[in-house]
Amino acid sequence: EDQVTQSPEALRLQEGESSSLNCSYTVSGLRGLFWYRQDPGKGPEFLFTLYSAGEEKEKERLKATLTKKESFLHITAPKPEDSATYLCAVLLIQGAQKLVFGQGTRLTINP
Amino acid sequence: DVKVTQSSRYLVKRTGEKVFLECVQDMDHENMFWYRQDPGLGLRLIYFSYDVKMKEKGDIPEGYSVSREKKERFSLILESASTNQTSMYLCASSFDLRSNIQYFGAGTRLSVL
Repeated sequence: EDQVTQSPEALRLQEGESSSLNCSYTVSGLRGLFWYRQDPGKGPEFLFTLYSAGEEKEKERLKATLTKKESFLHITAPKPEDSATYLCAVLLIQGAQKLVFGQGTRLTINP
Repeated sequence: DVKVTQSSRYLVKRTGEKVFLECVQDMDHENMFWYRQDPGLGLRLIYFSYDVKMKEKGDIPEGYSVSREKKERFSLILESASTNQTSMYLCASSFDLRSNIQYFGAGTRLSVL
């Protein structure tokens, strides 16, 4: 069964304290891996897509990396406005081209 | 910027009512999706559509139907609402299925009493 697992479920950091969120996947065939940000009461906002192992993407304080089994979202010197839930999703090669989502990591950055 | 608009942010309905959730996108995207999001379960795909009048079942289609009469509009229908359909409903659209970068609306929080 295709599965996406994110860890930790919740993470609390001080402003400026860098860390990483993990997304591990067990799928039949990966076409791409997506990271989204979701603020409370809002829909997910697209951040990155990664398509092959070794690929990296950056946006401001965020950097996403991909290996054959997992992806990391690195947050460097975070600010309180980076507080949100971060969702990981995989796009499968086979089967209706749907996204399979992980359950998310709730990130809180304290000032 | 892509804009996906869901007609209601909050909705309260009674058990047995027929409920319509509407979604409109303004970027001429081919594909549209309906998800529900529940604590501890994440986002689960209900239905999607890759063309006008075309639809495909997702992982949890039971109790739901959809309608896509125009390219920009995708409706989710709860034929007879039940309390276990209380949830956050999210609509998304994407330009193509190969890359499938999905853009989401703000969501509709539905309560069925």
